Amino acid sequence: NAGVTQTPKFQVLKTGQSMTLQCAQDMNHEYMSWYRQDPGMGLRLIHYSVGAGITDQGEVPNGYNVSRSTTEDFPLRLLSAAPSQTSVYFCASSLGQEIDEQYFGPGTRLTVT
Amino acid sequence: AQKVTQAQTEISVVEKEDVTLDCVYETRDTTYYLFWYKQPPSGELVFLIRRNSFDEQNEISGRYSWNFQKSTSSFNFTITASQVVDSAVYFCAGEPAGNKLTFGGGTRVLVKP
Repeated sequence: NAGVTQTPKFQVLKTGQSMTLQCAQDMNHEYMSWYRQDPGMGLRLIHYSVGAGITDQGEVPNGYNVSRSTTEDFPLRLLSAAPSQTSVYFCASSLGQEIDEQYFGPGTRLTVT
Repeated sequence: AQKVTQAQTEISVVEKEDVTLDCVYETRDTTYYLFWYKQPPSGELVFLIRRNSFDEQNEISGRYSWNFQKSTSSFNFTITASQVVDSAVYFCAGEPAGNKLTFGGGTRVLVKP
């Protein structure tokens, strides 16, 4: 199993540009989520999905869209990038029960200039 | 809403010393789940341990041990006989029903040889 994969690893955007961060998992996990990690801080939940076709907002959803058309993929879209979105983005997945640990991808480091 | 507090921002120890990391999880939920994750300098997030709110037994796994006390909302984590490879940022996280994980701000552990 590849686990949770994320692409790209690094990205630089200009203010106003849009892009999609890709996330895929091959563990047949129902639950997937996106977090952002800002310097010196813990991770904050952006959006999450409890299964294909179902998404919901986390703590910091503004400026981001998600969709879950398949169990495997959970892309995160930045609609109009802003410098405040400069961060490291982590995708995670878990089987679906609260007791299950989340498996994290390697992260995408995004810089918005 | 949930709140995870890691009061220690950085701990520095000499190899073979024990390290105890403090975490306080505040929630109104009676059922919840607690986790510790490690983030080494390479940046990935690694699951370490988990605990549910029903079980207050202390546990030991290798060099790791943890102490959960529901009455004080504390979920402390100890590394026994620390090693240089333990140098990392450690995150405490909590999750009520619903798979919405909330992270603390992290504690940076530096183990000097």
